[in-house]
Parts: sequence; C-alpha cells; structure tokens
Amino acid sequence: DAGITQSPRHKVTETGTPVTLRCHQTENHRYMYWYRQDPGHGLRLIHYSYGVKDTDKGEVSDGYSVSRSKTEDFLLTLESATSSQTSVYFCAISESPSGSPGELFFGEGSRLTVL
Amino acid sequence: EDQVTQSPEALRLQEGESSSLNCSYTVSGLRGLFWYRQDPGKGPEFLFTLYSAGEEKEKERLKATLTKKESFLHITAPKPEDSATYLCAVRPLKGGGNKLTFGTGTQLKVEL
Repeated sequence: DAGITQSPRHKVTETGTPVTLRCHQTENHRYMYWYRQDPGHGLRLIHYSYGVKDTDKGEVSDGYSVSRSKTEDFLLTLESATSSQTSVYFCAISESPSGSPGELFFGEGSRLTVL
Repeated sequence: EDQVTQSPEALRLQEGESSSLNCSYTVSGLRGLFWYRQDPGKGPEFLFTLYSAGEEKEKERLKATLTKKESFLHITAPKPEDSATYLCAVRPLKGGGNKLTFGTGTQLKVEL
C-alpha cells in the first residue's frame, strides 16, 4: 500500500470556522492532489501540487487554499467552512504523469461535517 | 468540458453471473482512460489504464476494453469479494499533472 496518511480522518465543525486537512506521504512522489467526493458528483479535483510551493487549481477550488512546504506534506485549508463543504476529502499522489498517467494512489479519506 | 457517465448506477449479480459495466466519455483528445475500484470507507484503488481504441487489459476476473466513445469493464464469474464501487476516469491530452475527470461510479453487489 502507498504510504499516504490523512488527518484528521473525521471532523465535525461549525460554519465559519477554519479547517485544515493534512496529507502526508512517504513515497517521495512529486504530484499530490486533493479531491472531494459527494453523492451524485463523483470525485472532483480541488487543488493539486506539482512540487514544493508549486500548486494549481482544480475544478472546485473556490473556498479552498493549499500549501506544500515540503515534498511529503500537502495541506488543504478551508478558511471559513460552509455547509456546502461537508464532504469526504481524499488526498492522492502520483509519480510523473508522463510515465504513468492516471495512476493515482489515494489515501483513506477525511470525512468533514460542517454544521 | 470533459464528461464521464457510468451505467448502471447500481448492479446486483449472483455469484458466477457475468456482466459488464459501461463508461461513456467525451473528452477533447484522450490521453488515457482509467478504472478504479473503491471499497466502502476507503480511497479508490487503481485497476487499469487504457490508451487507445481496441486496447484491452485483464486482471483476474476483470477485463477492461476501450472504444472511441466508451469503455466496458467486463466481470466474468464474479465472487462476493468483487463487490465494490467501480469508477471510471479520463485524462485529456491537454493540461498538466494527472488531472482526471471521474464518473460517479457503478456500485456492484455480488451475492452468494
């Protein structure tokens, strides 16, 4: 199994509070991703990183920010959580897209509930 | 805009009853089509990559095929342990990283 750890695994918070989810990898992969999964929508890309301090937006990036100060850690921050951000968040990693396009390794997920 | 549609949404099979799952896609140039398996409460697990029409990949009881508009995941003589949600995703030729567009999945239940 790929060495990916997400924390926390479960969190309940209130509207308007900041939330940070952490993804830690031990594989030294260059690319890291944050997806959210909701019924009826499937997995949707929030942000991704292609190196330390190099990040880009996905299709549902509004309300989210990310940071990557070390190869192994990718943080997802909700500055002011809203109920629409209640979801299951998955971190994924991959090697070079040219070598193995589409082969992502996913973490176990972080279930976030915003009341 | 890239789109992936999977059908059926849910499928219930008896053990040994073969069937196929469908993934229809529209993409502005296909870099690759990917199948994943997801067990309840877990992250998706990579199964196959298909690059071009006519290509096939096999793994145990699963075989994935690809045409210019759709992909099929054939399940031969399934067992209860094949029960999971199967996800299809595409990556377009343009764009950086491994930015995939996923379908909503087919939830497969195999019963004894």
